[in-house]
Amino acid sequence: AQKITQTQPGMFVQEKEAVTLDCTYDTSDPSYGLFWYKQPSSGEMIFLIYQGSYDQQNATEGRYSLNFQKARKSANLVISASQLGDSAMYFCAMREESNFGNEKLTFGTGTRLTIIP
Amino acid sequence: ETGVTQTPRHLVMGMTNKKSLKCEQHLGHNAMYWYKQSAKKPLELMFVYSLEERVENNSVPSRFSPECPNSSHLFLHLHTLQPEDSALYLCASSRTGGPNEQFFGPGTRLTVL
Repeated sequence: AQKITQTQPGMFVQEKEAVTLDCTYDTSDPSYGLFWYKQPSSGEMIFLIYQGSYDQQNATEGRYSLNFQKARKSANLVISASQLGDSAMYFCAMREESNFGNEKLTFGTGTRLTIIP
Repeated sequence: ETGVTQTPRHLVMGMTNKKSLKCEQHLGHNAMYWYKQSAKKPLELMFVYSLEERVENNSVPSRFSPECPNSSHLFLHLHTLQPEDSALYLCASSRTGGPNEQFFGPGTRLTVL
């Protein structure tokens, strides 16, 4: 079963509008973390934002915020005032517990966001 | 720049060749990772090294052989690859313990002819 589901393969958004990228997850682990990464056409994965399962408030980082709904197991990324440079692939990922203290991430299939001038 | 570098950025090789991918991190991290990114598939974790010990090996074929000589360097040795191994290979590093994000390199785009 897929652990991270991103149901939007592609989205087109007008510049300066807000956009929400969907992510749902599946885990039985009470302690987990959720990450969003951006991958421009150049290939590198850029960390955007993190939400811990016990965090009381939704995470925010500049124009990025995470709409964390624990009961629904969703962790949607919201980008406010979109810019042309936001055009990229966006990946949601979940951290699983491991025995060795390293961070094993499971990724979704991604959403390709295109900002229209 | 994320502090993680990968060389080469692009590699074309035949099925009988032997090549190596190199990753270096300048962040003082003690865990390093190899991922494979194929078209229309999620990133697949291949190997994890924590404190220079291999701790994860996700059923990767033996034609991929990782090496971690120290906490700053990670290699992926390739031999007798198949065309379906063509993909973007991403290296990442992180600190161990806690919700530490992984920092990724720019990747090596591998094409196997």
